[in-house]
Amino acid sequence: AQKVTQAQTEISVVEKEDVTLDCVYETRDTTYYLFWYKQPPSGELVFLIRRNSFDEQNEISGRYSWNFQKSTSSFNFTITASQVVDSAVYFCALRNGLTGNEKLTFGTGTRLTIIP
Amino acid sequence: DAGVTQSPTHLIKTRGQQVTLRCSPKSGHDTVSWYQQALGQGPQFIFQYYEEEERQRGNFPDRFSGHQFPNYSSELNVNALLLGDSALYLCASSLPTNEKLFFGSGTQLSVL
Repeated sequence: AQKVTQAQTEISVVEKEDVTLDCVYETRDTTYYLFWYKQPPSGELVFLIRRNSFDEQNEISGRYSWNFQKSTSSFNFTITASQVVDSAVYFCALRNGLTGNEKLTFGTGTRLTIIP
Repeated sequence: DAGVTQSPTHLIKTRGQQVTLRCSPKSGHDTVSWYQQALGQGPQFIFQYYEEEERQRGNFPDRFSGHQFPNYSSELNVNALLLGDSALYLCASSLPTNEKLFFGSGTQLSVL
């Protein structure tokens, strides 16, 4: 069975501070994909990143960066110099790598509040 | 280019009733997935439709059923509503070989 754990329910930081959102996953699959989604108050989930299990390189996109470590089954997300627009609920998700198995398993989310 | 659109935005039903939610996928997408998101929880996979067939299903009872039309739009039907069915129902579309899902804003269903 697959499982995603986001232990941080809520985080509040002052604008311009850096913040890291933790994600720990469990799977028996050797091939899998990890995702981060952002859910603003409007409700739709916005895709941020996908990482496959064979690619452990960290990735940076602007103020966002992701640290994937298979040894600890973690896929953490860091926002540098946070802004008020970053306030949202962030979800980490996991998917089996088999074609045709499209089910995403989500964590319970981390509500991030950036204080101006 | 319209994204994923869902209707209605909000819906109030009473226990035992039936409800139909609708989804139009992003242009060019032929695969539609449905998720249920209870308050304070992550989305839970209900099922996925491709080529008008249910391709994969999550752990939801048979009261939850769906349909996909030739134009790739989809409906989610829930029969014999329970209080616990109150949630945000999200539709997502994708291409069959692309892991990137595009989500709609959802339908907020309240069962009284």
